Amino acid sequence: KAGVTQTPRYLIKTRGQQVTLSCSPISGHRSVSWYQQTPGQGLQFLFEYFSETQRNKGNFPGRFSGRQFSNSRSEMNVSTLELGDSALYLCASSGGTGGFLSYEQYFGPGTRLTVT
Amino acid sequence: DAKTTQPTSMDCAEGRAANLPCNHSTISGNEYVYWYRQIHSQGPQYIIHGLKNNETNEMASLIITEDRKSSTLILPHATLRDTAVYYCIAPGGTSYGKLTFGQGTILTVHP
Repeated sequence: KAGVTQTPRYLIKTRGQQVTLSCSPISGHRSVSWYQQTPGQGLQFLFEYFSETQRNKGNFPGRFSGRQFSNSRSEMNVSTLELGDSALYLCASSGGTGGFLSYEQYFGPGTRLTVT
Repeated sequence: DAKTTQPTSMDCAEGRAANLPCNHSTISGNEYVYWYRQIHSQGPQYIIHGLKNNETNEMASLIITEDRKSSTLILPHATLRDTAVYYCIAPGGTSYGKLTFGQGTILTVHP
């Protein structure tokens, strides 16, 4: 079974631009979570989607948004990029429908975003 | 989520067992303990999870104390490829899809 894929793997953007990152979950998985990883803050939860609905959201500004499609693929968007948005963005999929079952997550390789 | 405490770093000789402890004294009765690891520049990797009983899979064993206040992840025969940051997480049951990663334990396996 193919793992979680993320595109693009690397991205360089300029301050003020916007960016869209894509995540394809493991086949059959309906839950997708997104995380941001920086050297200073570590791994931080952005949001989680299940059946096209956002069920949980982390403590990030409204510039960070996401969506999920009917095939469970997910995208996240960051508008008005800031230098501090430079990070590794990871998505993870889970076969669980909720609660404890949603914590067994399988991560993609991440998208490395650099904002200049 | 229950707060978890792990040592900052540990060393292990290749071929020996690596025992990584985690303290989660505030864990509630129905909260599971999950272990993940992250090898440099890769996404985190799910290892194992458990509630009360000891668990074993092809990657590791998880020993949870009877009072559930602590647990130990055991890599029975550590290899150089097991060098990674190991995270112990005890997520609450109502926080959909959210894993709260702490600082974890940096495990270095030496030849």
